[in-house]
Amino acid sequence: QQQVKQSPQSLIVQKGGIPIINCAYENTAFDYFPWYQQFPGKGPALLIAIRPDVSEKKEGRFTISFNKSAKQFSLHIMDSQPGDSATYFCAASLSGGYQKVTFGTGTKLQVIP
Amino acid sequence: DTGVSQDPRHKITKRGQNVTFRCDPISEHNRLYWYRQTLGQGPEFLTYFQNEAQLEKSRLLSDRFSAERPKGSFSTLEIQRTEQGDSAMYLCASSLESDGYTFGSGTRLTVV
Repeated sequence: QQQVKQSPQSLIVQKGGIPIINCAYENTAFDYFPWYQQFPGKGPALLIAIRPDVSEKKEGRFTISFNKSAKQFSLHIMDSQPGDSATYFCAASLSGGYQKVTFGTGTKLQVIP
Repeated sequence: DTGVSQDPRHKITKRGQNVTFRCDPISEHNRLYWYRQTLGQGPEFLTYFQNEAQLEKSRLLSDRFSAERPKGSFSTLEIQRTEQGDSAMYLCASSLESDGYTFGSGTRLTVV
């Protein structure tokens, strides 16, 4: 059973655009929602994370929006750059334990110059 | 380099052979995780160590898979009698109790 659903599967935007990646989760016990960025041949790298007691978090050009009642969260990348071209994974986990992370299926983003 | 180190980076093996991968976590991290990632998918949890204790194994980890972390430092993942379905990227990650993961670059296994 897939517990974190991610869309779209792929996304192409022009430089300066604002790509938006959406995720939905099923387990209401999840209380930690990280996003990871992965370049080809590399492991995923933690980008930004949010807990459900806030509705939005910004770090640089990356913003997470969180809707607890809808069990949805999204990543926005402001002023996107070609260097942002990568695969992005949303994820969810339970804190207070060992933080086993459940990942979405990924979104391949291409930013065109 | 203070990141998570995995060795080898690539491994090609014949079906039926045994393979072993090594992970060196960030030195102060007490938690170590193994994940498997197939093409076009997100990483899937395999197993978790806190110090030297293996605290959980996924149902994905069949009897052919075994992981160890003998002194609470580096870890090894062994796959016996490899099958073509074992072809994947095997990722190791480490963390402190309250931090997010730091992943290594992975070991790409190809079973021919």
